[in-house]
Amino acid sequence: GAGVSQSPSNKVTEKGKDVELRCDPISGHTALYWYRQRLGQGLEFLIYFQGNSAPDKSGLPSDRFSAERTGESVSTLTIQRTQQEDSAVYLCASRRGQKDSYEQYFGPGTRLTVT
Amino acid sequence: SQKIEQNSEALNIQEGKTATLTCNYTNYSPAYLQWYRQDPGRGPVFLLLIRENEKEKRKERLKVTFDTTLKQSLFHITASQPADSATYLCAFPNQAGTALIFGKGTTLSVSS
Repeated sequence: GAGVSQSPSNKVTEKGKDVELRCDPISGHTALYWYRQRLGQGLEFLIYFQGNSAPDKSGLPSDRFSAERTGESVSTLTIQRTQQEDSAVYLCASRRGQKDSYEQYFGPGTRLTVT
Repeated sequence: SQKIEQNSEALNIQEGKTATLTCNYTNYSPAYLQWYRQDPGRGPVFLLLIRENEKEKRKERLKVTFDTTLKQSLFHITASQPADSATYLCAFPNQAGTALIFGKGTTLSVSS
């Protein structure tokens, strides 16, 4: 079946502009995550959605970052007034969300470059 | 705070040898650990999960151990092949159980 898809695959933007990144999770997966991966670094948790529960936003680095999810489908991550330090690969992952189902399925990521 | 470290940034071995990657954690006792493989330009792919009450888990040429006393997991690839060359990440759940905390990864290069 189809995996997690993300768009765009690459985004180059000027400092100060807003960007919107999209994630389409695997159908039926109730849990969705956003991570950031800077060059040479590990994955950094940003936000977690689980069904209709309030999202865990504890990983968002500043109020310039926000994310939404429509039901149990598409999610968008928005970065306002981008800064050069926002340059990174943004990865989305989904999970079945059932008890004892811990494997996360990742998309290919969006490479964001802020000039 | 919870911390996870992967000892080597890079590991170079010859084809046919066993690769051993190390993951250490502090300030936490996770209920499980996961290992992922990441190829350049791609998202991580799940390989194995080992729970705190399991000493060892195997899948084909892969073996993972979990020592809760040492706070360490070892990841072994036996009979390594050039196709095994990739970055391997270990991860465990945060205390809230809402996300995974990842190590920086070890980049394995297998030469023929």
